[in-house]
Amino acid sequence: LAKTTQPISMDSYEGQEVNITCSHNNIATNDYITWYQQFPSQGPRFIIQGYKTKVTNEVASLFIPADRKSSTLSLPRVSLSDTAVYYCLVGGKLIFGQGTELSVKP
Amino acid sequence: DTEVTQTPKHLVMGMTNKKSLKCEQHMGHRAMYWYKQKAKKPPELMFVYSYEKLSINESVPSRFSPECPNSSLLNLHLHALQPEDSALYLCASSRGDREAYEQYFGPGTRLTVT
Repeated sequence: LAKTTQPISMDSYEGQEVNITCSHNNIATNDYITWYQQFPSQGPRFIIQGYKTKVTNEVASLFIPADRKSSTLSLPRVSLSDTAVYYCLVGGKLIFGQGTELSVKP
Repeated sequence: DTEVTQTPKHLVMGMTNKKSLKCEQHMGHRAMYWYKQKAKKPPELMFVYSYEKLSINESVPSRFSPECPNSSLLNLHLHALQPEDSALYLCASSRGDREAYEQYFGPGTRLTVT
């Protein structure tokens, strides 16, 4: 069972790029890496998912090194509305880690 | 329609009450989930239904009873709850129960047990 470790909190300013790293040393061969965003009193929202190398969509990029023991969620040019908790999930057990509380300041 | 709806939005109940939470999706998803989330904590998986059959029960107390009447509906029946059961209850659905399928979450039901 892959356990994930993320920074508890991060601060940024509008317009900056934010990178949130998740460690998952025990990731299994067939595990995917999935990131969700959650605003207060709302359900989590899917951001991006990947298995290896790099995945990009309209809101974020996900970088996964060759050993897959970590992954980095990259949010380009954040705005105030990106202030939220970001969760990294690994594997099929649907276990959310503690998440990273991102605060974007003007 | 990519929406998961949950009713009610808020619920206050006494420890002797019986109530139900409802969840609905019309995306044709065959997996549905219940999560519990306490303040400042991550969501915790409670139950997973796959093709209308209970596939995962994460050792949840029997005072929580899930039901999946059909592929679009998911209920959570509540009875004899404790104050510590107060939390945000989230429903989610996905195409299947494999991790590769993204989950769509509802807005949650804020439950307060008095």
